[in-house]
Order: sequence, then C-alpha cells, then structure tokens
Amino acid sequence: AQSVTQLGSHVSVSEGALVLLRCNYSSSVPPYLFWYVQYPNQGLQLLLKYTSAATLVKGINGFEAEFKKSETSFHLTKPSAHMSDAAEYFCAVSLNAGNMLTFGGGTRLMVKP
Amino acid sequence: SAVISQKPSRDICQRGTSLTIQCQVDSQVTMMFWYRQQPGQSLTLIATANQGSEATYESGFVIDKFPISRPNLTFSTLTVSNMSPEDSSIYLCSGKDRGRQETQYFGPGTRLLVL
Repeated sequence: AQSVTQLGSHVSVSEGALVLLRCNYSSSVPPYLFWYVQYPNQGLQLLLKYTSAATLVKGINGFEAEFKKSETSFHLTKPSAHMSDAAEYFCAVSLNAGNMLTFGGGTRLMVKP
Repeated sequence: SAVISQKPSRDICQRGTSLTIQCQVDSQVTMMFWYRQQPGQSLTLIATANQGSEATYESGFVIDKFPISRPNLTFSTLTVSNMSPEDSSIYLCSGKDRGRQETQYFGPGTRLLVL
C-alpha cells in the first residue's frame, strides 16, 4: 500500500521568492512519484515525474523536484515564483507503471505581488 | 502525451436526475480511470474503466450509482445516477499512455452542481 502526505494545505510566497512545496510518501517498494498542477477551473497537468532514473527531476515552468529515499520525500521547488504559478499542486505516488495513482491532499500556492 | 477531452465541461442538475459524462482520448491508452474531486479536496479514484467489460470499482463506489462504459480504447462514459447535492464535485477522466504506462494524463474535468 502507498500513501502521500503534503505538508501545508496553503502556501503563500512573494513574487520572485523561492517556492517549496513538501511531499512525503510511504511505499513498500521504490515508487513512481509525480507532481501535478491544477489551475483554476482546469484539469490536472503533469509537472514532472520520478521513475527511478535521476533523483533530481526537472519539469515544466521551471519547477524541479528531488527524490530523497532516506527522507521518503519528493519536494517541489522553483527558484523564483511568478504570479502565474498560483494554483493547486498535487503530489502522487504509484507502486509501478501499471498501478493506480494515490494523491496527496493538495497544496494551494498563492503568490503575492 | 495523450490529449483527453470531456463533455460536458459543467452542468447544474436537479436532485434525483442522472448525468452522463463523456471522455474521449485522442490516442490509444492502456487504462482509463474516473476520479471525483469534492469541493476543496483531493482526487479520489472511483473506478477503472475496462474495455468491453464491467468497470472495477474502488471501495465506497458502486455500479448502480456510477455506471461506467468503455466500448473501445479511446472512449468512456461515467453516469452519476439519482443525484443528490452530495454528488456536487468535479469528475475527471484520465488515461495511462500506451507508450509511457507509468504516466497518467487527465481531462479538464466536469464540474457538477446538484441542487
């Protein structure tokens, strides 16, 4: 069984500041890990994924995430927040390619001018 | 990546009625899923849509309430039956890409309000 915990349901940053969204997972085997973004009134868009290759994964829109097995974490970062980054972000895990996704509770990112 | 569309994008329905949501994928996917996202919450898997056979439902979801069809590899429908206000949610269709089966893509969602 797998589970995902996202620390902080709401995160607020100033434009230009570092974005850090936290995700911790629980899995009995090395997992696949994903970050999705949901803009207002839209579906989910894949930001990036970890599939047991490089531990530092780069995604779209300047986001990246680092898989840390010792900490069971997959935190999402972006060096400089932009107003257009305001959205809901979901971390998700699956045990293997054929397994279904389990989602975290989501983190709403707010960017202040 | 697979492009997934849904119809309708939103609807307002009266309690006791049913709504059928359509999901179309532009390329073949190996698996299709239906999720529910209740207001302010994360996604919950309703069921896996199986081609040509009955869907596989998650705990807490039943076929009588959420009948699902998948007549071919690129199309599926979800019906929300005998609706109540508690069914007000976003319903999302998703598919696993045939070429990259670890990756799941999502449709834009159907926003349902039941009065």
